[in-house]
Parts: sequence; structure tokens; C-alpha cells
Amino acid sequence: TQLLEQSPQFLSIQEGENLTVYCNSSSVFSSLQWYRQEPGEGPVLLVTVVTGGEVKKLKRLTFQFGDARKDSSLHITAAQPGDTGLYLCAGAHNAGNMLTFGGGTRLMVKP
Amino acid sequence: EAGVTQSPTHLIKTRGQQATLRCSPISGHTSVYWYQQALGLGLQFLLWYDEGEERNRGNFPPRFSGRQFPNYSSELNVNALELEDSALYLCASSLRIGTQYFGPGTRLTVL
Repeated sequence: TQLLEQSPQFLSIQEGENLTVYCNSSSVFSSLQWYRQEPGEGPVLLVTVVTGGEVKKLKRLTFQFGDARKDSSLHITAAQPGDTGLYLCAGAHNAGNMLTFGGGTRLMVKP
Repeated sequence: EAGVTQSPTHLIKTRGQQATLRCSPISGHTSVYWYQQALGLGLQFLLWYDEGEERNRGNFPPRFSGRQFPNYSSELNVNALELEDSALYLCASSLRIGTQYFGPGTRLTVL
């Protein structure tokens, strides 16, 4: 079983603060996706990272894929209440094509 | 362009019954994936179909089965329903190998 450890599980911060979410594994992934999920809805893709060391920016969100393609981080700058939600990382394996999901980080940003 | 669609939105069944869930992928996508998101357990991979064939299967009993039709839509069937089958069932689609995009899910409740 390929495990993806995501931390922290819960995060409650004030508007304007910065935060970082981590995903770590002992396995190498061909790519890694970050999703955001609202209650009762499906996960919405934020970004896909493929190359070791890759950094992608999406407005106030910065995503990094580790050099060895075993870990990733999501950094949010100046968080806003609209960023509240469940953030999921998911590693992909070409052979089986299934995604292994982290346990998720539930973020609450208070105004 | 339409995203992944799933039906029904909600499904209520009793123990021992059968449930059928449906998914239509994004146009041009040939792969369909099914995931189970049970409370407290995170997203677990169920099945992967591509070009009408089952390509990979997660660690679920045989009473979870499905198929993919020539138009690439898919059905997930769950036989002999148990209380612990209550969950959000998510369908995703992708090109043969690529980023997976999720539908809104079907909430299955087993009474």
C-alpha cells in the first residue's frame, strides 16, 4: 500500500495569515495533484505537478514538488475566508493509474 | 465544456439491496475511475476502466463491480449493501494516462 501522509489535519487561522500544508511519502509518484473539496461535492483540481523540484503558482497559492517526487507542499499567502475548505493531495502511479490520497487538511480562515 | 456528471445525486437503500450509480466522463476522456469517500476514511480507490476494460481494482470485495460502455460512460454496482457502504461515491475521468477530474459524487445512504 502506498501511503501519503498529509499534515496538518486541521488548521484554523485568521484572515491575512500564511500557511503551509505538507504531503509526504516514501514512494515516488509520477505526478501529484492538489484538490480542494467543499462539503458534499467532488474534489476540484487546483494543480498538477510532474517534475521533481517543480514550483507552480496559482494567485496566492504556491505548490512545490520535491526533488525526489516523494513529497509536496502547498503554501497559501494572506489567506482569505474564501480559502476555507478541505485540501487534498493525491499521488499518481503510472502503472496502476490510481490516485493515492492524503488524509486531507481542513482549513478554516476566520474573518 | 461539460465536466464529469454523476447520477443520482442521492440514493437511499436498505441493507441487502443493490445500488447502481452512473457516471459520464468529460468528452474525449476514455478512462473512468471510481472512489469511495466514507466518513473518517478519506478517498479510497475502487475501480479504473479504460476503453471498456477493467484495468485496476482497489481493495474492495467482489460485490463492488462495474462496467464501462462504448460511449465511455460507466456504472458502479454495489450488491448486498451493508451499512458501512454508506459514503460519497466519486467518479473521475481522464485521458488514457493523465490528470483526473472529479464529478460531484453520489451520496449513498444504507439504512
